[in-house]
Amino acid sequence: KQEVTQIPAALSVPEGENLVLNCSFTDSAIYNLQWFRQDPGKGLTSLLLIQSSQREQTSGRLNASLDKSSGRSTLYIAASQPGDSATYLCAVLRQGGADGLTFGKGTHLIIQP
Amino acid sequence: GAVVSQHPSWVICKSGTSVKIECRSLDFQATTMFWYRQFPKQSLMLMATSNEGSKATYEQGVEKDKFLINHASLTLSTLTVTSAHPEDSSFYICSVAGDKPYEQYFGPGTRLTVT
Repeated sequence: KQEVTQIPAALSVPEGENLVLNCSFTDSAIYNLQWFRQDPGKGLTSLLLIQSSQREQTSGRLNASLDKSSGRSTLYIAASQPGDSATYLCAVLRQGGADGLTFGKGTHLIIQP
Repeated sequence: GAVVSQHPSWVICKSGTSVKIECRSLDFQATTMFWYRQFPKQSLMLMATSNEGSKATYEQGVEKDKFLINHASLTLSTLTVTSAHPEDSSFYICSVAGDKPYEQYFGPGTRLTVT
C-alpha cells in the first residue's frame, strides 16, 4: 500500500527566505506526482504536476523535483512571501486517470512578515 | 484545467438524517470523478471512485451502503451520507481527473457537521 510522508509537518520562516518542502513515497510505481496548496477551510489548488518520466517542473517561484527511483520529491519556494502561508500537500497517482490520489499529511507553512 | 464546483459549501444536519452533496464539472466531461474525506489535522483520504454509468468503487473501510454515490451524467456526481452520525462530520471534497497526464482538479469542498 502506497504511503506518502511529508517533512516537516510545520515550518515558520521570515519573509524572503528560500525554503524546501520534502515528500517521500514508498512505492515508486507512480504515474505522476502533484503538489497542492490548501488554505484553511478551503479546497485544493494545484501547483505543479510532475509526470513519472520527468525530473522537475517550474512555475514562477516554485520548483518541484522528482526522483522516482528513490521515492522522493521536493518543492522549492524561492523568495517566500506572507501570501505563501498555507498547507502544502504532496500526492501521488498510481495508475492513471481511473485512480485516486494518495496524499501526504502536508506541511503547514507560515511566512512571517 | 477543469473547473469543479460543489454544493452545498457547508451543511449542518441532525444525527440520523441523510444529506446529499453535489459535485459538478463545469467545463469538462468527466467519466471518472473521485470523492475524498478530510478530518481535522489529517490528510485527504480517497473514499470512492465515481464512474459515469456504472457503480462506484469504494476504498477499503468505506461503507458503500452509508455513502451512496451516483454519477448521473458526465458532469455530475452526488454523494449521499445516509443516517449521518457525528463521526461523519468532516470535509468532503471531490475531484475530476483531466486527460493525460491526468492532473486532478478539486472542488472547493463541503463541510459537513452532524449534531
